[in-house]
Amino acid sequence: GESVGLHLPTLSVQEGDNSIINCAYSNSASDYFIWYKQESGKGPQFIIDIRSNMDKRQGQRVTVLLNKTVKHLSLQIAATQPGDSAVYFCAEKGGNMLTFGGGTRLMVKP
Amino acid sequence: GAGVSQSPSNKVTEKGKDVELRCDPISGHTALYWYRQSLGQGLEFLIYFQGNSAPDKSGLPSDRFSAERTGGSVSTLTIQRTQQEDSAVYLCASSLMQVTEAFFGQGTRLTVV
Repeated sequence: GESVGLHLPTLSVQEGDNSIINCAYSNSASDYFIWYKQESGKGPQFIIDIRSNMDKRQGQRVTVLLNKTVKHLSLQIAATQPGDSAVYFCAEKGGNMLTFGGGTRLMVKP
Repeated sequence: GAGVSQSPSNKVTEKGKDVELRCDPISGHTALYWYRQSLGQGLEFLIYFQGNSAPDKSGLPSDRFSAERTGGSVSTLTIQRTQQEDSAVYLCASSLMQVTEAFFGQGTRLTVV
């Protein structure tokens, strides 16, 4: 049957490979950026954040890169695991508003 | 509880009825957001509360939608005269004013039949 979220861009990777998920943000005044992971039937879960005075931040198996010149954000996941399969959203914050991008579905093939 | 709590988790209602969705934010969090997520879609901003300031209602799609936050804690999102296009998951998030990471609840899945 038809699976949900077909209209979301999908990234399919092999287990153990690195994943890179990209996001273009819209507001040049945004000063804080967050990546969220959303598994089916659950609310979004915080992964990693970065402030606009940084261009790179590393967490456990994840790295976020920020390019303010082209308003681009990326999430790199090292050694992708089946449990990483989810929809990933970037969010930008300028002032009060927390605005989300459209999301990317990551599928990990065993 | 330790996290953001939303109730009910699922709600099925008839077209034209009013519904109320509840959000209990994390204790001490002064900022509270409501978002709507249609099936397989991204998050659509609805409304934002920050402390005692006037809420930012710029995302509410129509005057059938309203929200309150009593005592700076619990929030209720009300949808009057529900329509089928209101069917979605309604997500609530809260954050500390000085820390901008927002924590989400599990959402309320609303189905209008």
